[in-house]
Amino acid sequence: EGQLVESGGGLVQPGRSLRLSCTASRLTFDDHAIHWVRQPPGKGLEWVSGITWNSAAVDYADSVKGRFIVSRDNSKNSLYLQMNSLRADDTAIYYCTNLEEFWGQGTLVTVSS
Amino acid sequence: NFLLTQPPSVSESPGKTVTISCTRSSGSITTNYVQWYRQRPGSAPHTVIFDDNKRPSGVPDRFSGSIDSSSNSASLTISGLKTEDEADYYCQSYETSTVVFGGGTKLTVL
Repeated sequence: EGQLVESGGGLVQPGRSLRLSCTASRLTFDDHAIHWVRQPPGKGLEWVSGITWNSAAVDYADSVKGRFIVSRDNSKNSLYLQMNSLRADDTAIYYCTNLEEFWGQGTLVTVSS
Repeated sequence: NFLLTQPPSVSESPGKTVTISCTRSSGSITTNYVQWYRQRPGSAPHTVIFDDNKRPSGVPDRFSGSIDSSSNSASLTISGLKTEDEADYYCQSYETSTVVFGGGTKLTVL
């Protein structure tokens, strides 16, 4: 069965940057649009960003537009999220998913001084 | 942007059937597919229904999805409830290129 694995989370100070990665295995990665979804502690799911299979189209939630950049490298079966100007309210578990079948296990990002 | 509204909580007994609703605030529920996710405490979400009523492989047929245009809502029905079904359930749909999630419903099986 296909699998997505996130990495790159951690503790970061407000205003700094962090880059998340999501690596796929046992699935045809370039068949799928892939999204980043986050979940703040104790709260519900929030869509962050999505990218089409060929990177032709990307989009962002208003809360991260202008600060986050999504990209992918199909040759490496990988998705990335460059997070800049991080704020305390970006603290969450970040998941990558194709929304139809595959979800990663998540990586925790904590923004705190 | 539209909202997807779910009841905060539902409860039912083992062996019974429960239905969780997801109401779209504007625009037609039939315009974009609806997905449903289950999330157990401390775990990642898991897709139980995609494209309104399809089940990923491995999801039992106790889980079913439907659309009701008259109430502009989607529903997730779980029959033959088991204690392991106790979890948070989220609906999700699309608006052009963006993604909308419902607020989630906590299902208690007691």
